[in-house]
Order: sequence, then C-alpha cells, then structure tokens
Amino acid sequence: KQEVTQIPAALSVPEGENLVLNCSFTDSAIYNLQWFRQDPGKGLTSLLLIQSSQREQTSGRLNASLDKSSGRSTLYIAASQPGDSATYLCAVGNSGGYQKVTFGTGTKLQVIP
Amino acid sequence: NAGVTQTPKFRVLKTGQSMTLLCAQDMNHEYMYWYRQDPGMGLRLIHYSVGEGTTAKGEVPDGYNVSRLKKQNFLLGLESAAPSQTSVYFCASSTSQSLSRTDTQYFGPGTRLTVL
Repeated sequence: KQEVTQIPAALSVPEGENLVLNCSFTDSAIYNLQWFRQDPGKGLTSLLLIQSSQREQTSGRLNASLDKSSGRSTLYIAASQPGDSATYLCAVGNSGGYQKVTFGTGTKLQVIP
Repeated sequence: NAGVTQTPKFRVLKTGQSMTLLCAQDMNHEYMYWYRQDPGMGLRLIHYSVGEGTTAKGEVPDGYNVSRLKKQNFLLGLESAAPSQTSVYFCASSTSQSLSRTDTQYFGPGTRLTVL
C-alpha cells in the first residue's frame, strides 16, 4: 500500500526566503505526482503535476522535482511571499486512475512579512 | 463558470440523523469523487463515479451512499450519522480517469460536518 509522508508538518519562514517542501512515498511504481495548495476553508488547487517520466516541472516561482528511485519529490518556492501561506499537499498516483491517488497530510506554510 | 460547488458549507448533526451533501460541477466532467479529510490524515476517497448513473466504492465507503443521477451532480448521503463521520468532505471532478494524462482533479470548497 502506498504511503505518502510530508515533513515537516508546519514551517514558518520570513518573506523573501527560498524554501523547499518535501514529499516521500514508499512505492516507486507511480504514474504521476501532484502538488496541491489548500487555503483555509477552500478546496485544493493543483499547482504542478509531474508525470513519472519527467524529472521536474516549473510554474513561475514554483519548481517541483521527482526522484522515483529514492521515492522523493520536492517543491521549491523561490522568493516566498505572504500570499504563499497555505497548506501544501503532495498526491501520488498509482495505476488505476484517480481512485488510486494517495494524498500526504500536508505541510502548513506560514510566510511572515 | 463556477467550477465545483458544494452545498452546504457547514452542518451540525446529532447521532443517528441523516443528511445529503450535494456536489455540482459545470465543466462537463465525466468523473466525480467524494473525499473526507481528517486531522493528521491525507484525503481519503469515499466513493467515486465514472459517469452518469454509475458509482463505485473507494477506500472508506462504510456508512455512506452516493448517487449520480445527473452528470453534473454527485450526492453523498449519510443515513445514520455517527461521531466518527465528523470531518471535512470534499468533492472533486476530472475530465479523465487516466493518470497518464495531464488532467488534474478540480476540487470544491468543502463541507465541514460535525456529528454530536
């Protein structure tokens, strides 16, 4: 059974700092991996999706990397802003479609002005 | 284009009461999903649907029923609510079920349910 772990559970950084969020998974036979953002009282918003054949994806100040062999993904946020404060979730997709997606518990990020 | 909407946003029930959560999407997506999110745990799939008139069990289906009578709506029912069903419920939809594509899921804002 796939297990997805995100450490740390919470992170507080000063504005402007570059930071890395971590996601680890136990079963390397994945189809894809997604990073989501969750704001309080709101649903999840997809940030980046990496296919199993890819090593990284970039969107603006965000860069996600994938290392299947080590069972790890990182989300790099450059020049953090207070508006980046949210919970970031990692979701790993195994074969069989979205019913086989395993979500991590998330890292709650606070960017202090 | 509202995306995925959920009704209600909050609800408090007493043990044994029943209720229905409504999810609606206006993106013409074939696939819809119900998840629950509990503290310290990732989202867990309750039920899902691959098209109008079809439903299937997810990881934690016990105590819940679902219906997909119309393509745009996916209903989650609790027949006899229990305190263990206190959670935040999210609905999601997607164009495809295939993870080999770049399609993603679109999530609703959630329903916070408390069962006393």
